[in-house]
Amino acid sequence: EVHLVESGGGLVQPGGSLRLSCATSGFTVSSSFMIWVRQAPGRGLEWVSVIYSDGSTYYADSVKGRFTISRGNSKNTLDLQMSSLRAEDTAIYYCARSKTQLWLLNSWGQGTLVTVSS
Amino acid sequence: DIQMTQSPSTLSASVGDRVTITCRASQSISSWLAWYQKKPGKAPKLLIYKASNLEIGVPSRFSGSASGTEFRLTISSLQPEDSAIYYCQQYSSYLTFGQGTKVEIK
Repeated sequence: EVHLVESGGGLVQPGGSLRLSCATSGFTVSSSFMIWVRQAPGRGLEWVSVIYSDGSTYYADSVKGRFTISRGNSKNTLDLQMSSLRAEDTAIYYCARSKTQLWLLNSWGQGTLVTVSS
Repeated sequence: DIQMTQSPSTLSASVGDRVTITCRASQSISSWLAWYQKKPGKAPKLLIYKASNLEIGVPSRFSGSASGTEFRLTISSLQPEDSAIYYCQQYSSYLTFGQGTKVEIK
């Protein structure tokens, strides 16, 4: 059975950094299309960053140059390094996996809350 | 960017009612449309993919249909456990979500 569990969220000051992690089971992260999606309070869902099975990475314009997606040291984890955080980065961050079709999100985690505030 | 316009934003219906949620794409996305269900504190769940294909394990009361750039999610007989927020998502070009429809049980 496939499981994804995010961790690492919390309260951080503007300009600070935070590293999110997504622990998975039931599949191999390195051979999957993985994505981080976020939902800010009162806003819709927005994709943040993706990593393809070949290691290619892409970022939404809103986080380009500030966030870095990577596979963790363990083959079963996905990370998101966030720096130069802004108030508008406050959101619940979800990791998800595409199994059958790129950008179709077959499995999701429950999310971790990131709050950027002084 | 492809925009997804979802309606209504909220609907309230009784158990057993047939309910329909609509999602309109700003341009052609073929059938690259998915529907997700989101309950508080739980992971979003894929219900429908490629406009009308039911994900394994999803009850058959859920169905999807398409006409051009308009897509519909129908719950044929609303159940108490269907209380949730439903999102459409296009995956023709990257991905974009609709704003969500909150389904409440009267």
